[in-house]
Amino acid sequence: DIVMTQNPISSPVTLGQPASIFCRSSQSLVHSDGNTYLSWLQQRPGQPPRLLIYKISNRFSGVPDRFSGSGAVTDFTLKISRVEAEDVGIYYCVQSSQLPLTFGGGTKLEIK
Amino acid sequence: EVQLVESGGGLVKPGGSLRLSCVGSGMTFANYSMVWVRQAPGKGLEWVASISASGFNIYYSDSIKGRFSISRDNAKHSLYLEMSSLRGEDTAVYFCAAARTFDYWGQGTLVTVSS
Repeated sequence: DIVMTQNPISSPVTLGQPASIFCRSSQSLVHSDGNTYLSWLQQRPGQPPRLLIYKISNRFSGVPDRFSGSGAVTDFTLKISRVEAEDVGIYYCVQSSQLPLTFGGGTKLEIK
Repeated sequence: EVQLVESGGGLVKPGGSLRLSCVGSGMTFANYSMVWVRQAPGKGLEWVASISASGFNIYYSDSIKGRFSISRDNAKHSLYLEMSSLRGEDTAVYFCAAARTFDYWGQGTLVTVSS
């Protein structure tokens, strides 16, 4: 199974400042079809997860452009250019390149 | 607006059975592969099962294989999860999600396995 490792586990950030969350996979996420199925999800308190970024760097419909994704093969990053209060929650990376689908352990974004 | 609505959760005794449903609207349901994901209380996300858009391809996590069964009825815009031989560790909120890239999520339905 592919293990997804996220860090930090917790990230206290000042409003208006940037934040970065890292995700590393134990194997390459490049699929035989050429795509890399690495997504980023946001889960606000008491809410279901919501898709932010898919296939490394594609922002999903309605997602603010302060969110961006980058990376390749086994190392991936989610960046928030300027953190807002509504960004508080837990962020997960997830790979769907190989079965079983696996999630990172989550990064809790908090406001300082 | 795309909506996925789960139902069927509840309290069940160990060894019991439950059937979860997920109804989609605002989307061409038959075009999407679908996934069940669960989240134990205070824990992270765990993939449970996937089914292709046609229903032909089905995959399960090892933790539930042989006990759970995923299916769909595209005419009814519905996804199902039949759960049997339930254990305490199956206690979780169960979410349905659409597409390989987890585009859309339901609100979840809570399954509690306890005597």
